[in-house]
Amino acid sequence: SQELEQSPQSLIVQEGKNLTINCTSSKTLYGLYWYKQKYGEGLIFLMMLQKGGEEKSHEKITAKLDEKKQQSSLHITASQPSHAGIYLCGADLSGANSKLTFGKGITLSVRP
Amino acid sequence: GAVVSQHPSWVICKSGTSVKIECRSLDFQATTMFWYRQFPKQSLMLMATSNEGSKATYEQGVEKDKFLINHASLTLSTLTVTSAHPEDSSFYICSARYSAGGYYEQYFGPGTRLTVT
Repeated sequence: SQELEQSPQSLIVQEGKNLTINCTSSKTLYGLYWYKQKYGEGLIFLMMLQKGGEEKSHEKITAKLDEKKQQSSLHITASQPSHAGIYLCGADLSGANSKLTFGKGITLSVRP
Repeated sequence: GAVVSQHPSWVICKSGTSVKIECRSLDFQATTMFWYRQFPKQSLMLMATSNEGSKATYEQGVEKDKFLINHASLTLSTLTVTSAHPEDSSFYICSARYSAGGYYEQYFGPGTRLTVT
């Protein structure tokens, strides 16, 4: 089974709408990373969360790591076509800072 | 943010030949770099962890003699796919770890599309 589950698998929203996507782990998240990927391209670093309860924002994107450090959410306010892409969460599940495990990604489409 | 480059961005080679892919951290030093493989509509699969000045650590099921990794300097890691076969066709992405005040950030290159004919 997948160690990091992302939900929903895909999402289509109307431009201007808010949306939230999630990344859930069965293990403690020692470091949680959010990336955005366009198909066939590399990953763009969005944010990194480490402490339970931590919340970070960049432009219209806000990421939170819950207190128990087993789930993270990514919220986009007033979505735009430029937000479309694949959102991947990656996590350090060992606490050893050795490697990241990734979820399968969430495909976001934004209708103009 | 930190920048990681990959070269080439795409390559087509014949079955049986070898291909080298370069990964460079352009504005920071990276003692650790990672090589991933990604299949269409799939997540990233970690192939190996590359440490400067030492041997790479390969994930289970990844053939180290087929995927040669060399981390020659703090800004360069290379992946060589030896005796490539059509099943090696994939999207290969490298990433470099950046130390940021007590924790790590990991930045990715733009990827290399390998097609073996």
